[in-house]
Formats: sequence, structure tokens, C-alpha cells
Amino acid sequence: AQSVAQPEDQVNVAEGNPLTVKCTYSVSGNPYLFWYVQYPNRGLQFLLKYITGDNLVKGSYGFEAEFNKSQTSFHLKKPSALVSDSALYFCAVRDGGNYQLIWGAGTKLIIKP
Amino acid sequence: DSGVTQTPKHLITATGQRVTLRCSPRSGDLSVYWYQQSLDQGLQFLIQYYNGEERAKGNILERFSAQQFPDLHSELNLSSLELGDSALYFCASSGQGAYYGYTFGSGTRLTVV
Repeated sequence: AQSVAQPEDQVNVAEGNPLTVKCTYSVSGNPYLFWYVQYPNRGLQFLLKYITGDNLVKGSYGFEAEFNKSQTSFHLKKPSALVSDSALYFCAVRDGGNYQLIWGAGTKLIIKP
Repeated sequence: DSGVTQTPKHLITATGQRVTLRCSPRSGDLSVYWYQQSLDQGLQFLIQYYNGEERAKGNILERFSAQQFPDLHSELNLSSLELGDSALYFCASSGQGAYYGYTFGSGTRLTVV
């Protein structure tokens, strides 16, 4: 069965430093991977997705993610963190059977000034 | 505006009562998903509808039910409410196909007192 793991409940980064939010997945076929962000009391917003092609995917707000098939990972990255990046981040993988997204537990990102 | 509309935004009700949450999907999307998110928790998948038919069921309590109407809007009915049902309830919609992510509404915050 498809699954997604976000091994860190919380990540703390100083403003201006690079950030990484980790995600690993398990699928039986080709993975379709997604990152979403949730600001307090808001709905989830799409950041980026990997379907096929280039392993480095660029998304909204300066975020990017690197697909690594051998390590079954899809880590979210940003070269220079902003305080406004503080939010809850969710990784998800598509289940090809019923097109349902399987979600990770979420990682709280805190950017300190 | 994501294109997914949820009403009401806030709802306060007493234990034992019944409420109905409404969701209008993004234009053209046939799938609707309902999620529950408790405070600082991840997403709990409740149920999915596709073009009026139930497609998948998650951890939905027997006190909860949903339906999708011919115009594709969906309603989530919560009955015999308990304090523990207090949460954010999200609706999301998507197109048909593995390439599509979800578009989320802004959620309904339910408080049971």
C-alpha cells in the first residue's frame, strides 16, 4: 500500500538559512508526489508536484523539491528561509487506484528572526 | 480564492446536535473529498465522492454522513455531536487523473460546547 512519511514533527531554521523538510514515500508504481502548505486557520495550498521528468521541481514562493527515486524521497527545500514561511507543510503521494492522495502527518516549520 | 467554497466558516453548537457543512467544488472538478483536522493535527480522511457516487471511505464515524448532489456540491452531516468532534473540516476537489492535485476550501471550524 502507498504511504508517506514525514519524519520530523517540527523543523526550526533561522531566517536567511536554507531549509529542508523531509518526505519519504512508498508506492508500488510510478509516484506522483505533492507538497502543500497550511497557514494557521487556513486551507491547504498547493506548492509543487512531481509527475515525471526533471528531478528538481520548482514551485510557489521560492520552494523547490528534489525527487530521489533510489532513496524514495521528495524533500522540500528553499535556499533562504523567510519568517513568513512558518507554517505546516504536508507531503502527499497519489494512489493511482482511486486517485486519492495519501498524506504525511505534516511538519511544522518555524523560522526564527 | 481557491475556487472551492465552504460554508459556514464557523459553527458553534451544543453536544447532541446535528449540523450540515456545505462544499461547492471548483468548476469542472468531479471529485470531492472531506477531511477532519483537529488542533495541530494532521488530516484525517473522511470520505470521497466522484460525480455523485461514493468512491472511498476513510475513518468516518457512523454519526457522520455525506452526499454529493447532481450539481456536484457536497454536504457533510454530523449528528449526535460530541465535544471531540470540534475540529476544522475541509473539503477538497480535484479533476480526474493522477496528474491532478487537490484544491482545498478554507474550511469550516466546528466548535461543540
